[in-house]
Amino acid sequence: QKEVEQNSGPLSVPEGAIASLNCTYSDRGSQSFFWYRQYSGKSPELIMFIYSNGDKEDGRFTAQLNKASQYVSLLIRDSQPSDSATYLCAVKGGGSYIPTFGRGTSLIVHP
Amino acid sequence: SQTIHQWPATLVQPVGSPLSLECTVEGTSNPNLYWYRQAAGRGLQLLFYSVGIGQISSEVPQNLSASRPQDRQFILSSKKLLLSDSGFYLCAWTPIQRYAYEQYFGPGTRLTVT
Repeated sequence: QKEVEQNSGPLSVPEGAIASLNCTYSDRGSQSFFWYRQYSGKSPELIMFIYSNGDKEDGRFTAQLNKASQYVSLLIRDSQPSDSATYLCAVKGGGSYIPTFGRGTSLIVHP
Repeated sequence: SQTIHQWPATLVQPVGSPLSLECTVEGTSNPNLYWYRQAAGRGLQLLFYSVGIGQISSEVPQNLSASRPQDRQFILSSKKLLLSDSGFYLCAWTPIQRYAYEQYFGPGTRLTVT
């Protein structure tokens, strides 16, 4: 059974701080890793994907992947109240069409 | 650019009634297509996926079915809805030409079964 674990939160950070969201996965064969943002009542929106060890930066977002530790994280710099949402981590194995989703972490950025 | 559409956006149906939800993708060809359900306060549950016209894989045995009559069209159906079918139904697509196989979600259909 492939598992993706996320702390449900809520994670509360002040505006302007760095928000750090974490995700662990059980399948060592996993090759692709995704972060989605889901606002309340809306569908998930892909914000980052990564498939090589290390960091990948896109604007205020940085995805970090450590395959040896089976750990992927998302850093949000200069957090804004508009970043308040649930963040879903998804992991996909090689040769698979189906990602496994975590339950998500609720992020609250307070002014 | 690619766009994914779902309709209707919201639906209220009585128990025992039929269901038909439609999803279409524009701007790409031969995508992988997926149906998910997200119940209130719960995670994403994969219902069906399709790698081509007429090819449907079911992940969860239940009273729902799916069809893919055209390359970029995916339909979710039920003959008789149950109360437990209430939820947020999401269609997603994957550009198979991409290594990461990332999924992109449609706007969703919120279904309430009364």
